Amino acid sequence: EVQLVESGGGLVQPGGSLRLSCAASGFTFSSYWMYWVRQGPGKGLVWVSRIKSDGSSRSYADSVKGRFTISRDKAKNTLYLQMNSLRAEDTAVYYCARGPRGDYYMDVWGKGTTVTVSS
Amino acid sequence: QSALTQPASVSGSPGQSITFSCTGTSSDIGGYNYVSWYQQHPGKAPKLMIYDVSKRPSGVSNRFSGSKSDNTASLTISGLQADDEADYYCCSYAGSSEWVFGGGTTLTVL
Repeated sequence: EVQLVESGGGLVQPGGSLRLSCAASGFTFSSYWMYWVRQGPGKGLVWVSRIKSDGSSRSYADSVKGRFTISRDKAKNTLYLQMNSLRAEDTAVYYCARGPRGDYYMDVWGKGTTVTVSS
Repeated sequence: QSALTQPASVSGSPGQSITFSCTGTSSDIGGYNYVSWYQQHPGKAPKLMIYDVSKRPSGVSNRFSGSKSDNTASLTISGLQADDEADYYCCSYAGSSEWVFGGGTTLTVL
């Protein structure tokens, strides 16, 4: 079964850091682009970041550029999102998602992990 | 990276057909055939319903269809069912390795 399981969310103070993980199983992880998408409380989906299948290219939304870093570990079949200088507006459920290499959509999603930035 | 524009809510009766709109610009929807649609039930993860404007993933009912004209994409659900009640989000590739979502539309089945 194709599965994505996020972890690492929690409560963090403004200015703090957190690293999210997304464990992939049931498919060839290294063949897919991977994404992070977030959803603030009562709000819509917002694209955060994408990394290509071989990790050669990474892109970010303007709102997180310079603060967040996406990465992937082929040996561990795991996607990461390192989040630094966190702000209250980063509070959200963070979803990881898979996308076919060379295409531009997300076909499998995890259940999400919740990040709360508050003092 | 401005969000795509979707109506906040739509409603319909069982058996009816309903169409959601998603308006962008020539830099996103109008510039690429990479519009996708996602269904999200409360408290659940999003589910892919349509990709590349009008393609349907295996397992998604053929009651769901997508189209695009200029800077506006549309999702149509025919034969509305109670389980279709959910939030629906459009998404478009916006060039330069960036993506943009719409604000979402809440579908109520009366």
